[in-house]
Amino acid sequence: NAGVTQTPKFQVLKTGQSMTLQCAQDMNHNSMYWYRQDPGMGLRLIYYSASEGTTDKGEVPNGYNVSRLNKREFSLRLESAAPSQTSVYFCASRDSRILYNSPLHFGNGTRLTVT
Amino acid sequence: KNEVEQSPQNLTAQEGEFITINCSYSVGISALHWLQQHPGGGIVSLFMLSSGKKKHGRLIATINIQEKHSSLHITASHPRDSAVYICAVSSMDSNYQLIWGAGTKLIIKP
Repeated sequence: NAGVTQTPKFQVLKTGQSMTLQCAQDMNHNSMYWYRQDPGMGLRLIYYSASEGTTDKGEVPNGYNVSRLNKREFSLRLESAAPSQTSVYFCASRDSRILYNSPLHFGNGTRLTVT
Repeated sequence: KNEVEQSPQNLTAQEGEFITINCSYSVGISALHWLQQHPGGGIVSLFMLSSGKKKHGRLIATINIQEKHSSLHITASHPRDSAVYICAVSSMDSNYQLIWGAGTKLIIKP
């Protein structure tokens, strides 16, 4: 089982460039999440998708867009990267249906630097 | 006041010591999660619990729903247990979102 696969692992962008972070899970989870983690800080939710076809803003959505392409895939797009978006990005998934509540499964993270 | 409070923020102990990390929350929950993150590493889910106690190897997690409190215990601690331990809760109001604690940084010295 691959679990949660996140690509790329590392990326360097210049200010103003765009990129898409890809995330796919093979556990048939309904909910998927994008978090960012800044040095010495906890996880902050950017966007989440409670189920296929829905997306909602989290705590820090500005400068990001997401697409829940299908049940497996949830991508995060930076349209015009800024140095403040330098961070480590984590994708996660879980089954959040009440009767099937499951632990979070995380991807390995994407280390993004914007210069 | 944060809805999920962890204590202590930092903990340094000697190898072999019994470790306790606490998590208190103020909302109704459907589940509480304990996760581990090694320095520069990924995030791994250790436990998800809604009542009682769970054990995995040297790790034990307990929860008291009435007191809205959970503890993570590590027995016979080892330097490889050095990591950040994070508590998060699934709120009853929104099972989709999790409310996160700030994490406890644990260092085990040989």
